[in-house]
Amino acid sequence: DGGITQSPKYLFRKEGQNVTLSCEQNLNHDAMYWYRQDPGQGLRLIYYSQIVNDFQKGDIAEGYSVSREKKESFPLTVTSAQKNPTAFYLCASSITRTGGSETQYFGPGTRLLVL
Amino acid sequence: GDSVTQMEGPVTLSEEAFLTINCTYTATGYPSLFWYVQYPGEGLQLLLKATKADDKGSNKGFEATYRKETTSFHLEKGSVQVSDSAVYFCALSDISNDMRFGAGTRLTVKP
Repeated sequence: DGGITQSPKYLFRKEGQNVTLSCEQNLNHDAMYWYRQDPGQGLRLIYYSQIVNDFQKGDIAEGYSVSREKKESFPLTVTSAQKNPTAFYLCASSITRTGGSETQYFGPGTRLLVL
Repeated sequence: GDSVTQMEGPVTLSEEAFLTINCTYTATGYPSLFWYVQYPGEGLQLLLKATKADDKGSNKGFEATYRKETTSFHLEKGSVQVSDSAVYFCALSDISNDMRFGAGTRLTVKP
C-alpha cells in the first residue's frame, strides 16, 4: 500500500527540549510539506521541499527545522525556540511542486503536547 | 496574497438533508480548487478538485463547481449520512503549488 506515515501519533515535549517528528512516504513523490493545524484554524505551512537536499521556509518556519537527505523522508524538528508548539502536525507530499494543480496527500498526523 | 474564506460552522444536519458549505477565494491568477475532508484524529483526505473555470469536481455524492465569475467553489451533497460527519476544508493552489486552506467547517449529521 502506498502512502504517508507519521510517527509517533502523540509526542510530549518538556521545556527546553527539541523533539523530532517523522514523516515517510513511499509514493515516489518529489515534493514534501509540513503543516501546523491549531484548533478551529486552517493549515499553515511550516517548511516544504521540492527535491532531495533542498527545502524552503513556509509561512511559520521560526522555531522549526527540517532535513531532506532521502526522497522518502522529511523529518521535522521542533526546537526549544518554538514557544507555543502544542498543535497537530501534518506531513504531506505531491508528485511535484509546479503546475498549480498537484494534489497533496496527507499523513495521519502527530499531536504534540507540552508537559 | 491568495486566500480562501469558507462558511463558519459548526453545521448540524439531520440524516438525508441537503448540504451546502460555502467557499469563496481571492487569487491573482487561475488557481486550482480543492475540497479536503478530515475525520476525527486523522489527516486530510482529498474529496474532490477542479482545475479550471466551470469544471465540476465530484466524489462520493459530493459536488463542487469552479465559478470564476463569483470566485466560488461551494460544496454540495443531496443527502448526507451520519458517516459524513467530519471537518471540511476548502483550499486553493496557485501556479507555484502553494496551497492555501480555509479555516474548516465542522459538519455533524444526526440520525
